[in-house]
Order: sequence, then C-alpha cells, then structure tokens
Amino acid sequence: EAGVAQSPRYKIIEKRQSVAFWCNPISGHATLYWYQQILGQGPKLLIQFQNNGVVDDSQLPKDRFSAERLKGVDSTLKIQPAKLEDSAVYLCASSLVDPYNEQFFGPGTRLTVL
Amino acid sequence: KQEVTQIPAALSVPEGENLVLNCSFTDSAIYNLQWFRQDPGKGLTSLLLIQSSQREQTSGRLNASLDKSSGRSTLYIAASQPGDSATYLCAVRDNYGQNFVFGPGTRLSVLP
Repeated sequence: EAGVAQSPRYKIIEKRQSVAFWCNPISGHATLYWYQQILGQGPKLLIQFQNNGVVDDSQLPKDRFSAERLKGVDSTLKIQPAKLEDSAVYLCASSLVDPYNEQFFGPGTRLTVL
Repeated sequence: KQEVTQIPAALSVPEGENLVLNCSFTDSAIYNLQWFRQDPGKGLTSLLLIQSSQREQTSGRLNASLDKSSGRSTLYIAASQPGDSATYLCAVRDNYGQNFVFGPGTRLSVLP
C-alpha cells in the first residue's frame, strides 16, 4: 500500500512570496489533515478535511493560508504572502473515517522563509 | 482546551535498557491516544493507537498504557536498541472538536 505523498520536500522562498504544497493521501482515506511543525515542537493542526469538506480550520491563519481538497482526494496548502515565522515543516496526514482510526503521515515539506 | 505534555524532553540510555516515556493530558474526555516516532528530517510513523475504552496496546518491544482518569499514558520500550533513537510523540484526540493535539515529544538516544 502506497503511503501519503507530499511535494516538494524542500522549499526556500523570501518573505512576502507565495508558496504551495501538494499532498496525495492513501487511497480510500476520506480524512486529510495539514499540520505545521515548528522546530522542537509537536505538530499543530492547521486544517482537517472530510472528503472535500472542511471539518476544522480553527487554527488556520486565514489571512494568509488557504487549503483546498478538490474531488476529495489530493489537497493543496497555499501561503500568500509568507512571513519569516512560517518557516516550519508542513505535514500532511490521512486516515479512514474519523475519529477512531489512526493517522498516517507523509514525509513533510520543509519550508524556509528568508 | 486540551494540553499535552511529555516528560522527559530528552533521554539518553545505554543499549539494552528498558525505558518508559510519559505523556500527560489535561482533559480526560478523549477518543483515543496515538504514539508516533519521528526520525530527523522525516515524517511521523505510527507506533500504537489506544482507544479510550482500552487500557493498553502492545507491538513487539513496545507497550503503551492509558489511564484516562489520571490523564496519563506511558510508552514502554523493552531492550532498547540504537535503532530506537528518535523523537517520540504522543497525540490525543478529544471528544469535542475531534481535534488531534500533539505533545512536544521526547528525544531518545540509545547509545551502543
């Protein structure tokens, strides 16, 4: 079974630029999550999708972050414009229907904002 | 608001030792608790998932226990090996927003 795929693996941009991350979940997983992990901390949930609907985006900085999950499969997370404090690893995870199922994580995208 | 802490923040042990990692959470109304391992520069690998109705789960040399009433979980690693060196994170899914809250992790080093 293929795991969660993410791209790119690394991205370096300057502040005020835009960036987008892509995630392809495990086939058949209805739930998809985006997390932000700052160095030395545990991941923080940014947004959770159930199929292509948003379940929880309470911690997503909506003035600069946006996410979509078209057709209930792949998802993209965008930051526009980026700030220095957005430097982090962005992790995508998926699971079967919540809340009882375990989450499986992708390798993450390491973003550096200069 | 659910808060998750992990003690110790870092741990260094000689190979072969049995060890315990601790996870505490403030709100006992949880659906489940999951333990993960994270290698440097990598994503998270799921180790064990404990549902709120369960007391423990075992996988190989790993055993995780859950005490909801006291807001605690422990991860027991038997006969540690250098390959166990990684950061171990616990995460709790609560009953309200079904949010998944992570602890900061314990960085484990097993010395040969």
